[in-house]
Amino acid sequence: DTGVSQNPRHKITKRGQNVTFRCDPISEHNRLYWYRQTLGQGPEFLTYFQNEAQLEKSRLLSDRFSAERPKGSFSTLEIQRTEQGDSAMYLCASSPLASWELFFGEGSRLTVL
Amino acid sequence: AQSVTQPDIHITVSEGASLELRCNYSYGATPYLFWYVQSPGQGLQLLLKYFSGDTLVQGIKGFEAEFKRSQSSFNLRKPSVHWSDAAEYFCAVGAGSGGYQKVTFGTGTKLQVIP
Repeated sequence: DTGVSQNPRHKITKRGQNVTFRCDPISEHNRLYWYRQTLGQGPEFLTYFQNEAQLEKSRLLSDRFSAERPKGSFSTLEIQRTEQGDSAMYLCASSPLASWELFFGEGSRLTVL
Repeated sequence: AQSVTQPDIHITVSEGASLELRCNYSYGATPYLFWYVQSPGQGLQLLLKYFSGDTLVQGIKGFEAEFKRSQSSFNLRKPSVHWSDAAEYFCAVGAGSGGYQKVTFGTGTKLQVIP
């Protein structure tokens, strides 16, 4: 399968713990996006990479959230000191240059107890 | 900043009936518009997109959408719904230039199909 891969698919953690999600985009896709989706809502933009450069980070994203894409391939999204309000599905998508189509992974569901 | 409104949270249609899902967007320039579908346990999949030209665009799975600039709308339609179309549908608007692009999604419409 050469689609977008996200791991882990489901993470349950206690409040205050740190969690990290990984996204492996479709190879050679230059653009990589992170979105967050809560129940009854559409995907909410978090951040966007073009190759290894993080070009935009949502103002809604607190300082507890950080994302990296060190070699322009896979990306990680880390949430420090998790809160119950962080419980959501975290979606990763990738896109080739000169294309607006986003290819989504199946998401990583976070449950904070 | 761009935004999308999907006024219908939930829609129920009978199998074989026609479908129209509403979408209104807000963006200062000519928008790039999309419809995505999300089936349970699966990632979002692009149904169709509008960039320019013919305002009626065809997509996969028999869906089509019409761009109406005067109404700031991009409604999704299907003439005859199949049970497998039950899913959540998201309208989205894209904005950007010079290689930068950002896609903003609406809140979604959940479609239920009854026999």
